[in-house]
Amino acid sequence: QLQLQESGPGLVKPSETLSLTCTVSGGSISSNTYYWGWMRQPPGKGLEWVGSISYTGVTHHSPSLKSRVTISVDTSKNQLSLKLSSVTAADTAVYYCARHQGGSGITCTDVWGQGTTVTVSS
Amino acid sequence: QSALTQPASVSGSPGQSITISCTGTSSDVGGYDYVSWFQQHPGKAPKLIIYDVSSRPSGVSNRFSGSKSGHTASLTISGLQAEDEAEYYCSSFASTSILLFGGGTTLIVL
Repeated sequence: QLQLQESGPGLVKPSETLSLTCTVSGGSISSNTYYWGWMRQPPGKGLEWVGSISYTGVTHHSPSLKSRVTISVDTSKNQLSLKLSSVTAADTAVYYCARHQGGSGITCTDVWGQGTTVTVSS
Repeated sequence: QSALTQPASVSGSPGQSITISCTGTSSDVGGYDYVSWFQQHPGKAPKLIIYDVSSRPSGVSNRFSGSKSGHTASLTISGLQAEDEAEYYCSSFASTSILLFGGGTTLIVL
């Protein structure tokens, strides 16, 4: 059974870079069937797509975050990572990693991690 | 591109049916048959309940069904149960290979 687990600092200072890792277990990240992505949810608000990546490194990003987002995969560790630079309080959210599949790579998000809370504050 | 439009809340009594709408544009909902619906209980991760407009993942109750007409997708829950009370989100693949979410709908079971 595929499981995704997010990890990283729960507190990040304004203007610094948020770094998160997602460890995939029960399956391989090196599959051309799937993309892997990050979503986030600010407190009391809705879901927002951050970006996604294939195991070969093809990436898609939210236009509103694209200039600050770096997503990568480490196939040797079966991990997905997210870096978000120049963070502000508006980046405070629960961050989820997830698996996508479907006809255009990211059309169906079928497995989610439990999420990790990141607070941006000095 | 803007988020998809969902009603803030809907309500229904046990046993009834309710429908949640998700309105987009020709660049997302209207242009692709790649609409998904998620159920999220408080403090929990979202759960996929409908994908590709009307397909149900294995293990999801057949009380949940999806459809689409033009630029609007819909989620219908029949035989409403107390455990269905949750937040529901739609999402759609959009042109330029991006993923959009709706603002979410709170389902209240009376």
